[in-house]
Amino acid sequence: EIVLTQSPGTLSVSPGERATLSCRASQSVSSSYLAWYQQKPGQAPRLLIYGASSRATGIPDRFSGSGSGTDFTLTISRLEPEDFAVYYCQQYGSSPKTFGQGTKVEIK
Amino acid sequence: EVQLVQSGAEVKKPGESLKISCKDSGYRFTSYWIGWVRQMPGKGLEWMGIIYPGDSDTRYSPSFQGQVTISADKSISAAYLQWSSLKASDTAMYYCVTSGSYLDAFDIWGQGTMVTVSS
Repeated sequence: EIVLTQSPGTLSVSPGERATLSCRASQSVSSSYLAWYQQKPGQAPRLLIYGASSRATGIPDRFSGSGSGTDFTLTISRLEPEDFAVYYCQQYGSSPKTFGQGTKVEIK
Repeated sequence: EVQLVQSGAEVKKPGESLKISCKDSGYRFTSYWIGWVRQMPGKGLEWMGIIYPGDSDTRYSPSFQGQVTISADKSISAAYLQWSSLKASDTAMYYCVTSGSYLDAFDIWGQGTMVTVSS
């Protein structure tokens, strides 16, 4: 099983600033089958990024994903008030399709 | 637009059985995969398993193999998650999700079904 470790656990950022979230895998993620999801309180998660760097339909371009192998990054270039949420990475290239433990982005 | 509509919240006692559902309001039910994700209160996301309704090919996470049953009825575009004997530790929100292929991210999520197991 591939274990995904996200850091930091909590990120305190001011609106308009840049946020950088990390996701490290215990072994290489095949063909960059790495996704990022956003979850707001009381809501279902929403797909942001798939294939490590492709934005899902309707996702603003301030969200970008990068990385390969075992190290992946989600960058939010300029935080909007609606971006404060929990973010999860997930690898879906091997079974079980594991998630990271999440990074909470909170208002500083 | 594909939408997944899940059945309502459930309150059950330990040892009881339960089957929750996820219905697709779109048109592609038999051409994509439907999975289930657990979220225990205040915790992260856990992938439970996935089914291809077209031929009922089903895969489980080892953590959930033997604990739940995933099934589908393509005649009514519905997928199911079933327990034969609930435990208090099954208390969680359960989401159904879709992916276009087995090796795709989960692009559509249901609204979630809260299952509470308490004596």
